[in-house]
This record gives sequence, structure tokens and C-alpha cells, in this order.
Amino acid sequence: DTTVKQNPRYKLARVGKPVNLICSQTMNHDTMYWYQKKPNQAPKLLLFYYDKILNREADTFEKFQSSRPNNSFCSLYIGSAGLEYSAMYLCASSRRDWGLAETLYFGSGTRLTVL
Amino acid sequence: QQNVQQSPESLIVPEGARTSLNCTFSDSASQYFWWYRQHSGKAPKALMSIFSNGEKEEGRFTIHLNKASLHFSLHIRDSQPSDSALYLCAVRDNNRIFFGDGTQLVVKP
Repeated sequence: DTTVKQNPRYKLARVGKPVNLICSQTMNHDTMYWYQKKPNQAPKLLLFYYDKILNREADTFEKFQSSRPNNSFCSLYIGSAGLEYSAMYLCASSRRDWGLAETLYFGSGTRLTVL
Repeated sequence: QQNVQQSPESLIVPEGARTSLNCTFSDSASQYFWWYRQHSGKAPKALMSIFSNGEKEEGRFTIHLNKASLHFSLHIRDSQPSDSALYLCAVRDNNRIFFGDGTQLVVKP
């Protein structure tokens, strides 16, 4: 079963407070991604883990943290939420050793609203 | 950074029509290309992929790629109401996968 689970489905946060989003996958994939999607915009790559190595995009480097304590689990952490963080956060996993043909398997997302 | 653009933004077609969705990208060195489909309230799911110039057909779906023109497309033959969804194109570039902003397709019975 190709399953990526995200919790919670909906999250409400206050400006200035921390937020932690959770993702898990059961496919033993070596790579896990976090994308941010706002209405009518492309999913924006925030960061990804290849095995234990974290890669953060240059323009979001200071805004998001992540951890991957084991192969199945990955979190996305926002230290101090701002209104601009309101979005759908999509987690995805893949098997990168398939090389270029790497296909992403997505979770259903966490909709974060910051008030 | 890779710039991926989709057109049209939205599309309404009658059942049975042929539908064409377009995607352009900015880096001719891009290596792999996908179409993903997201039904309302569901996770995006990979539909088709291609890596070399030309055409690939799977059932009612055909993908065309022209790297020199920085363009690829998805064609749906005999469109069905169940095809109604957000279609996202994606491009692999430098170990990262970049998405377009989507085409919202509605197929009316």
C-alpha cells in the first residue's frame, strides 16, 4: 500500500507561536519532502531529507526546520508562525535510488491557518 | 531556479471531448517530467511521466515532450467526469522536483 499520512489534517495556530507538523510513510522510502501550497500557486519546495541528510531551499532556509528520527517519520517545524505561513503543507516520499524516475507519493496535507 | 508554468489556468469541457493541458519549463537541462492529478480533498497522485523527447501513451492519456521548446503537454482522449481534478505538471532539475501552479479541469456530463 502506498501510504503517506499527515497529522493533523487541520491546524490552527497563533501568530508568534510554534507549529509542528507530522508525516509518516510505510513504504521504506529513502527521501521525504515538504511542500507549501497556497491557493492558485504552485507547490513550493521547502526542504527534503535524503536518508538522514537535510536539504533546505535557500529562500526558506531560516523559516523552517525539520527532523527525521527514523526512516518512516518526518516533521516540519515553524519556530514562530506568521500570517504568511497560512497554507496547505504537503508531505511526500520517494525512492531516490530509482534515479531520475523518482515519483513522489503525497499525503493529503495539513491545512495550517495562522491567526 | 526552475520556473514551471501551466496553461490554461482552468478548463471546462464536455464529456467525450479531447482535452489538452500545457506546461513550460525554463531549464533545457531538466531531466524528467511528470503529470500529477489531484482530486478534490485528496492527495496529488502521479499520472504519467516521460524523460525523452517524443510521445508516450497510456490508455486515454498521452504525454508529449519537446525539450528544445521547453514544453510538454498532457492530452486526454474521451474525457470523463471522473477526470475532473487539478492537474499539476512537475519537472526534475538538479535533484529537486518543481511544480507548476496547476490547471483545474472540469468535465461536464
